[in-house]
Amino acid sequence: AQSVAQPEDQVNVAEGNPLTVKCTYSVSGNPYLFWYVQYPNRGLQFLLKYITGDNLVKGSYGFEAEFNKSQTSFHLKKPSALVSDSALYFCAVRDDAYSGAGSYQLTFGKGTKLSVIP
Amino acid sequence: DAGITQSPRHKVTETGTPVTLRCHQTENHRYMYWYRQDPGHGLRLIHYSYGVKDTDKGEVSDGYSVSRSKTEDFLLTLESATSSQTSVYFCAISVAGKALVSTGELFFGEGSRLTVL
Repeated sequence: AQSVAQPEDQVNVAEGNPLTVKCTYSVSGNPYLFWYVQYPNRGLQFLLKYITGDNLVKGSYGFEAEFNKSQTSFHLKKPSALVSDSALYFCAVRDDAYSGAGSYQLTFGKGTKLSVIP
Repeated sequence: DAGITQSPRHKVTETGTPVTLRCHQTENHRYMYWYRQDPGHGLRLIHYSYGVKDTDKGEVSDGYSVSRSKTEDFLLTLESATSSQTSVYFCAISVAGKALVSTGELFFGEGSRLTVL
């Protein structure tokens, strides 16, 4: 069965510094990986995904993620953090098993709270 | 904006009472999902639907039922609410790709916060 681990419950970074939010995964087949962001009292918003191709994936709001197959990691990065980036970030992996009727499911990590300090 | 509306946004109820949460979408998407979000657990799938009257169980379906009588509405029902069902509930939709296979990318509603006393 597939799984996702976000080893840090919280990450603190100073405004203007680079940020990294870590994610490792386990799947039996080819990984389909996602990052979502959740601002306070809001639903999750899609940031970016890796399906195939370049290991560096660019997404919304200046975020990017680096896929590393040998380390089974998919870390989220941004060169220069903004205070407005403070939010809860979720990594997700698409399930190995086809659920039928054209649907796959996502397994989410437990989330990492990012705090950007002015 | 994927046109997803959840109602009610907040509800306080007592143990043993029935509760129904509604998810409404305006863009005719085939796939709809109900998740619950709890601290330390991330998001966990309760039920999902792949068409009118076509639903299936997710990871944490015990104590929940769903119905989808119209494409635009996906209802989540707690027949007899318990305190362990206090949570924030999110509805999501997935946009089908060319082959009508969900890409896995989800769009979420704003959430329904349920408190069971």
